[in-house]
Amino acid sequence: KAGVTQTPRYLIKTRGQQVTLSCSPISGHRSVSWYQQTPGQGLQFLFEYFSETQRNKGNFPGRFSGRQFSNSRSEMNVSTLELGDSALYLCASSLAGTSGRAPDTQYFGPGTRLTVL
Amino acid sequence: GQQLNQSPQSMFIQEGEDVSMNCTSSSIFNTWLWYKQEPGEGPVLLIALYKAGELTSNGRLTAQFGITRKDSFLNISASIPSDVGIYFCAGRSHGATNKLIFGTGTLLAVQP
Repeated sequence: KAGVTQTPRYLIKTRGQQVTLSCSPISGHRSVSWYQQTPGQGLQFLFEYFSETQRNKGNFPGRFSGRQFSNSRSEMNVSTLELGDSALYLCASSLAGTSGRAPDTQYFGPGTRLTVL
Repeated sequence: GQQLNQSPQSMFIQEGEDVSMNCTSSSIFNTWLWYKQEPGEGPVLLIALYKAGELTSNGRLTAQFGITRKDSFLNISASIPSDVGIYFCAGRSHGATNKLIFGTGTLLAVQP
């Protein structure tokens, strides 16, 4: 079974631009979560989508948004990029998206490395 | 952003040594997870714990869910060079769906 895939793997943008990152979950998984990883703040939860609806949201400004499609693929968008948005953006998928036991295990993709100049 | 307290921050050990790291939180969690991340990759789940007091093993790895539900530890026995990486704990609260709060990470270096 193919794992979580994220595209692109690397991206360079300049301040003020906007960017869209894509995540394809493991086949059959309906929950997709996004995380930002930086050396200073570590891994921080951005948001989670389940059945095309945002179910949970972290403490990030409104410039960070996302969506999920009917095939469970997800995109996240960052508008008006700032230098501090440079980070590894990780996507994780899980089967049912409940807070109980397995098979709710989250599987992470390799991430998209975003550099803002 | 919120992060769990994880210690030690880094460890440099000889092959064959045992390793222990722990994670503490000011909040109660109903799930504790331990991940390993290698350069250029996303975190890979090592062990999941769902019940206070639970002790779970995965090969040379053993993790425990603290009785207070505010801490967890991970042990690695007889370390080998491929254990190198950054180890993260993560906690999930009841009703928080898939929102994970991650620890600050422990960098493990193993010298052959």
